[in-house]
Amino acid sequence: QSALTQPPSVSGSPGQSVTISCTGTSSDVGSYNRVSWYQQPPGTAPKLMIYEVSNRPSGVPDRFSGSKSGNTASLTISGLQAEDEADYYCSLYTSSSTVVFGGGTKLTVL
Amino acid sequence: QITLKESGPTLVKPTQTLTLTCTFSGFSLSTSGVGVGWIRQPPGKALEWLALIYWDDDKRYSPSLKSRLTITKDTSKNQVVLTMTNMDPVDTATYYCAHLMGYSSGGGWFDPWGQGTLVTVSS
Repeated sequence: QSALTQPPSVSGSPGQSVTISCTGTSSDVGSYNRVSWYQQPPGTAPKLMIYEVSNRPSGVPDRFSGSKSGNTASLTISGLQAEDEADYYCSLYTSSSTVVFGGGTKLTVL
Repeated sequence: QITLKESGPTLVKPTQTLTLTCTFSGFSLSTSGVGVGWIRQPPGKALEWLALIYWDDDKRYSPSLKSRLTITKDTSKNQVVLTMTNMDPVDTATYYCAHLMGYSSGGGWFDPWGQGTLVTVSS
């Protein structure tokens, strides 16, 4: 079960855009659109923000978008707001019907 | 509306077995394509997937913890139970259960999650 690599932290000022990367391998992220993203503000349970690389669940602002290039999936948050400050995790649903999470990225809104 | 809630002991001793129950509503685990997963998060650390159980009773475990985990379901009670043997202080974490979606389309994502329950392992 491969690991997913995320940067430990990113930051941006209100109104700016930030991108969080999630790197796997050609056998997992590169081969399947099974990447999802979760937002976890301090002291709360994770919340689904993106599924199948780029799909947004109902209720998630369109400031949040997902994409993939090669073995790296990305979450982009545009028009950054103070309420976006949280930890973000990518996740992969594997070909073995198991799940692996990335190490998480702490987003700081300056 | 789908909801899930974890329950179980808040404190266990080293070497003991932990039993956690996830009680859910708003869906049935007998419906094709549905699953329930367990995920944990040590204080200040990342999420770690533990186990999944599917509507057809197929079960999947984290390779690193497989020997210690058992996941079962009681469809009539809308519950999923996770047991973890030989608990150690490093197993101290918040344990979450979550509804798995997207299986039928080849994907798999968790939505929603329960509120989580903190389990401390200490003598």
